[in-house]
Amino acid sequence: QKEVEQNSGPLSVPEGAIASLNCTYSDRGSQSFFWYRQYSGKSPELIMSIYSNGDKEDGRFTAQLNKASQYVSLLIRDSQPSDSATYLCAVRTGRRALTFGSGTRLQVQP
Amino acid sequence: DADVTQTPRNRITKTGKRIMLECSQTKGHDRMYWYRQDPGLGLQLIYYSFDVKDINKGEISDGYSVSRQAQAKFSLSLESAIPNQTALYFCATSDTQGFSTDTQYFGPGTRLTVL
Repeated sequence: QKEVEQNSGPLSVPEGAIASLNCTYSDRGSQSFFWYRQYSGKSPELIMSIYSNGDKEDGRFTAQLNKASQYVSLLIRDSQPSDSATYLCAVRTGRRALTFGSGTRLQVQP
Repeated sequence: DADVTQTPRNRITKTGKRIMLECSQTKGHDRMYWYRQDPGLGLQLIYYSFDVKDINKGEISDGYSVSRQAQAKFSLSLESAIPNQTALYFCATSDTQGFSTDTQYFGPGTRLTVL
């Protein structure tokens, strides 16, 4: 079982809709959770970080964490074509470096 | 100027050659990382360094070695390149302010092709 799992997609949503991206992780001791966005051929950039159960909102982005279910999600409201990218979920456990999922490709249709 | 730089940005080499990829950062961060990315496989950690004297293997370190010459510099070497090391390589840095934060900042990447 991979440590961090994501559906590879593509997830296709119409412009203005809510995009929901999901991630599960295997290590119950994981403490920090991150969502990165990566445009094709570019380096990843941090979108959101979350450390406690519940929701965390930043503009059009909301990260949701449920440690009991070992599940973290990213909601993108009012999706725009510029949101089309691959979204990488990353998890940190203890002193270790981040473990990344393989990413979900999001396509926002104009 | 970019905070995290990688050289070269593109490299084509032949099987068996020794290759060094270099990473420099001006962010003053202690922690530095090397990842490779293959299509559909996300980012895989090769090596990471929490300070100049603390270097750790990642999940795919075989065939690679690293050198942390200074706080600002972290080099990745392929001693004898093979075609399945063809990939996009990223360097990243982070500075833990409190245990949980550890936001990573990525360089622009090096596209390596081994023929």
